[in-house]
Amino acid sequence: EAGVVQSPRYKIIEKKQPVAFWCNPISGHNTLYWYRQNLGQGPELLIRYENEEAVDDSQLPKDRFSAERLKGVDSTLKIQPAELGDSAVYLCASSLGDSGNTIYFGEGSWLTVV
Amino acid sequence: GENVEQHPSTLSVQEGDSAVIKCTYSDSASNYFPWYKQELGKRPQLIIDIRSNVGEKKDQRIAVTLNKTAKHFSLHITETQPEDSAVYFCAPRASGTYKYIFGTGTRLKVLA
Repeated sequence: EAGVVQSPRYKIIEKKQPVAFWCNPISGHNTLYWYRQNLGQGPELLIRYENEEAVDDSQLPKDRFSAERLKGVDSTLKIQPAELGDSAVYLCASSLGDSGNTIYFGEGSWLTVV
Repeated sequence: GENVEQHPSTLSVQEGDSAVIKCTYSDSASNYFPWYKQELGKRPQLIIDIRSNVGEKKDQRIAVTLNKTAKHFSLHITETQPEDSAVYFCAPRASGTYKYIFGTGTRLKVLA
């Protein structure tokens, strides 16, 4: 069974440029998470989806970040414009959605803003 | 808001020794307590978890113990091996929610 798939794995962009990350969750998982992990720190939740609905986006910097999950399957996270402080690993994760199930992470998208 | 702390932040042990990492949380509604292992450049992966109605759970060389009264749970690794070297995160979750608050991580080094 395929795990959570993310792309691109690595991205280097100049500040003020846009960037987008894509995630395909494990088949059948209706809950999808986007986390940001800074170097040496734990993952921090940016947004959580239940099917196509964003049910928790309180930590998403909405002035420059946006996300969508139009058909309740794959998702895209966008940053526009990127700032130097956005350099981090962006992790996508998914779960079955029942509160008894744990979450499974993708390999992450490593962003460097120069 | 919720607060999750891990101690120690770094831990070095000799191969074969035991390692213990403690996670302290503030949300008394937490009822699910997983531990994740993250190797350098890799994704966090679940290694063991425990629910609030259980005090201890063991899986081969790893175990997790829970003290709900004191609001902390611990990861125990026995007979450590070099491949146990990684960063370990706790991520307690409150009942009825899907919000995992990750700790700041503990870097474990197992010295051969």
